[in-house]
Amino acid sequence: DVQLVQSGAEVKKPGESLKISCKASGYTFTSFWIAWVRQMPGKGLEWLGIMYPGDSDTRYNPSFQGQVTISADKSTTTAYMHLISLKASDTAMYYCARFIWFGGDERGYFDYWGQGTLATVS
Amino acid sequence: EIVLTQSPGTLSLSPGERATLSCRASQSFTTDYLVWYQQKPGQAPRLLIYDTSNRATGVPHRFSGSGSGTDFTLTISRLEPEDFAVYYCQQYETSLTFGGGTKVEMK
Repeated sequence: DVQLVQSGAEVKKPGESLKISCKASGYTFTSFWIAWVRQMPGKGLEWLGIMYPGDSDTRYNPSFQGQVTISADKSTTTAYMHLISLKASDTAMYYCARFIWFGGDERGYFDYWGQGTLATVS
Repeated sequence: EIVLTQSPGTLSLSPGERATLSCRASQSFTTDYLVWYQQKPGQAPRLLIYDTSNRATGVPHRFSGSGSGTDFTLTISRLEPEDFAVYYCQQYETSLTFGGGTKVEMK
């Protein structure tokens, strides 16, 4: 079974950085894109970026370009999302998800999701 | 950017009733690249429907998707207690964007 297990909740201060991990199992990690999605409290879904661990090809949502960095460690099948210069408005649930890519820049959808990591910036 | 508008914002129904959720796009699709997700409180979203009308693995047959052009619909034929949740559409016709969600609540 495909599983994505994320690291635990975080509390940060404004200006600090945040790094969340996502351990993948049950599929070939290097053959599927991995994505990060944010959900602010009581709000909808926003994609932050996607990465192909096979060759480290990475695409970012322009709204988050410069603030977010996605990386992956093939040896441990773990993806990471690093967010810098945190503001109170970055308080959100952050999800990793396996991304089914349809070509182009970031055409695709999310078929399996991690359990989410709550990040509080205060 | 394609903007997806979901309606209604909230749908109040009883178990056993039919739910019809709408997702309208700001421009017409040339593909069927639209998905639906279900999100229950405190849980991650779950893929329900991909490519407009294909049920994801393990999704009950009471869920169906349809549509083309700018108008897409998720139908739940007979609501079960576990179906009360928020539903999001998402397009991948051009890049990817999400709709704002429809909450299906118990009347």
